[in-house]
Amino acid sequence: TQLLEQSPQFLSIQEGENLTVYCNSSSVFSSLQWYRQEPGEGPVLLVTVVTGGEVKKLKRLTFQFGDARKDSSLHITAAQPGDTGLYLCAGAEGAQKLVFGQGTRLTINP
Amino acid sequence: DAGVTQSPTHLIKTRGQQVTLRCSPKSGHDTVSWYQQALGQGPQFIFQYYEEEERQRGNFPDRFSGHQFPNYSSELNVNALLLGDSALYLCASSFGFPEKLFFGSGTQLSVL
Repeated sequence: TQLLEQSPQFLSIQEGENLTVYCNSSSVFSSLQWYRQEPGEGPVLLVTVVTGGEVKKLKRLTFQFGDARKDSSLHITAAQPGDTGLYLCAGAEGAQKLVFGQGTRLTINP
Repeated sequence: DAGVTQSPTHLIKTRGQQVTLRCSPKSGHDTVSWYQQALGQGPQFIFQYYEEEERQRGNFPDRFSGHQFPNYSSELNVNALLLGDSALYLCASSFGFPEKLFFGSGTQLSVL
């Protein structure tokens, strides 16, 4: 089973600051997804990246897939309290399953 | 349009008991996957069902079994519960794979 490691595991910053979360693996994934999960809820898909070097933007969130398709990053600009949550990256392994990282718990303080 | 619904939302069991969790996929979806999420961890793949067959299985013992019905709904059964089975059990549905997955809110299982 391929492994995904996320860093940092915990991040607490002030409203308005920028941040980057990393997702790394020694294996190549055909695609990589980013999810956000709030307490008591299931993960909600934010974005899927497929092509090495691909960059996708979702309002203040920027997602990048590494050229070798082994790593990815999520950058948030001007963080807001509503961005608080658990951010999960997940790589597609084979045709049936997703391998998830352990998550980054993000807290944005007003 | 209802999303993925799971029942029950919370469940308390004792060691050695058996439990059945239920999942109704989003309308139009034919594939159901089950994941286990321990406290402070990311979800771990249990298995996936398509056309009423288990297509792939993760590293979980045979105590974990499942079923998919003709209407695409699914059940997850866990026998001989252990304390370590305490977790949030998530159901995700999709039309095919690895298309966009929609997750339910999960069933929080506590084993005492």
